[in-house]
Amino acid sequence: DVVLTQSPLSLPVTLGQPASISCRSNQSLVYSDGNTYLNWFQQRPGQSPRRLIYKVSNRDSGVPDRFSGSGSGTDFTLKISRVEAEDVGIYYCMQGTHWPPGYTFGQGTKLEIK
Amino acid sequence: QVQLQESGPGLVKPSETLSLTCSVSGGSVSSGNYYWSWIRQPAGKGLEWIGYMYYSGSTNYNPSLKSRVTISIDTSKNQFSLNLNSVTAADTAVYYCARVSTRGHGFDIWGQGTMVTVSS
Repeated sequence: DVVLTQSPLSLPVTLGQPASISCRSNQSLVYSDGNTYLNWFQQRPGQSPRRLIYKVSNRDSGVPDRFSGSGSGTDFTLKISRVEAEDVGIYYCMQGTHWPPGYTFGQGTKLEIK
Repeated sequence: QVQLQESGPGLVKPSETLSLTCSVSGGSVSSGNYYWSWIRQPAGKGLEWIGYMYYSGSTNYNPSLKSRVTISIDTSKNQFSLNLNSVTAADTAVYYCARVSTRGHGFDIWGQGTMVTVSS
């Protein structure tokens, strides 16, 4: 089965500094149609998850441009150029390429302010 | 703006069936552009996709839950439902309904979530 491994699992960051989260898959996430179905979600404390990025690098409407996604094949990264207080929460990557098992999530990375 | 709202019992006894409904407003479950899905999250843990249904009736379930899960759609009420049978304490979680694009863009709209506890 496809497994997504995120690192780090805990990410203390100083306000205004950059942050980077890695998501690695044990199988390529390139689908037969040429697309890579790797998304990123943010879950703020006490809230539902919110999609930030779809298909590796496409930012959702309303998502600040300090968030960016990149990567290919098995290695992907979510970057925040300058962390703000509202960015505190847990970040998840998710794949939708391999069926079965269907949508699978990474274990999550908890971002906190130092 | 499309909104999703989960409803259902917050407490279910072991071995019984967990039943939840997701009401959709501002959009239609009959839209051909979306699947309608359930996801759960045990307290302090990560996200687990349960399954989805398309308005036509086609379904897809997480293999680990497939034997116990049924998702259905009621287009007349503009809602979809989750049934999970033979529940145990391991099924205690926050359950989210979500809309997922058929174009592979993942879950773009989520409900607020509903906590379900399995306990006698």
